Amino acid sequence: DTAVSQTPKYLVTQMGNDKSIKCEQNLGHDTMYWYKQDSKKFLKIMFSYNNKELIINETVPNRFSPKSPDKAHLNLHINSLELGDSAVYFCASSQGGVSETQYFGPGTRLLVL
Amino acid sequence: ILNVEQSPQSLHVQEGDSTNFTCSFPSSNFYALHWYRWETAKSPEALFVMTLNGDEKKKGRISATLNTKEGYSYLYIKGSQPEDSATYLCAFYNTDKLIFGTGTRLQVFP
Repeated sequence: DTAVSQTPKYLVTQMGNDKSIKCEQNLGHDTMYWYKQDSKKFLKIMFSYNNKELIINETVPNRFSPKSPDKAHLNLHINSLELGDSAVYFCASSQGGVSETQYFGPGTRLLVL
Repeated sequence: ILNVEQSPQSLHVQEGDSTNFTCSFPSSNFYALHWYRWETAKSPEALFVMTLNGDEKKKGRISATLNTKEGYSYLYIKGSQPEDSATYLCAFYNTDKLIFGTGTRLQVFP
């Protein structure tokens, strides 16, 4: 059983399109996250939700909109895709709190042409 | 801007060698330090979460120490094996989120 799953694994699309990435966790965690791995291989937090409520929103363009229909799901919708959005996007979940391990999904590799 | 720095950036060792690498982080407002192991084409997997100054954690041949006063943590691998080849990430917990370093990429040759 996969703990944190993401779909799709790969996404190739044209500039200007709108796309979504889905994330689901079956760990019963309250908190979910979206991270972006940039070109320098840094993992940077984008968003965090706790029990369907947004708690972290880093300085991310408003073309990116997370949606959490329930606490087991956190989807990422991206409008008007740009070349610079090409990256690997990771979803993660945890019980929340400083000493709680975050469990990562397999990543979605997005390529914008 | 909070910086989490890891050194070295990459490391090549022979099977059987022991190795260690460093994570440096801000020494003020410390909450926790996380270590992750990240194999190519997989997702990061947690190794340790460290919260107290002087903490030492161990999992098999891998261990870690923590000095919150001076802002560093060491990760040690005893008797490296080819399957230890991965990127080792540390992440500093700042208020409400993890700030990751760029990692140390370890390659163990048979």
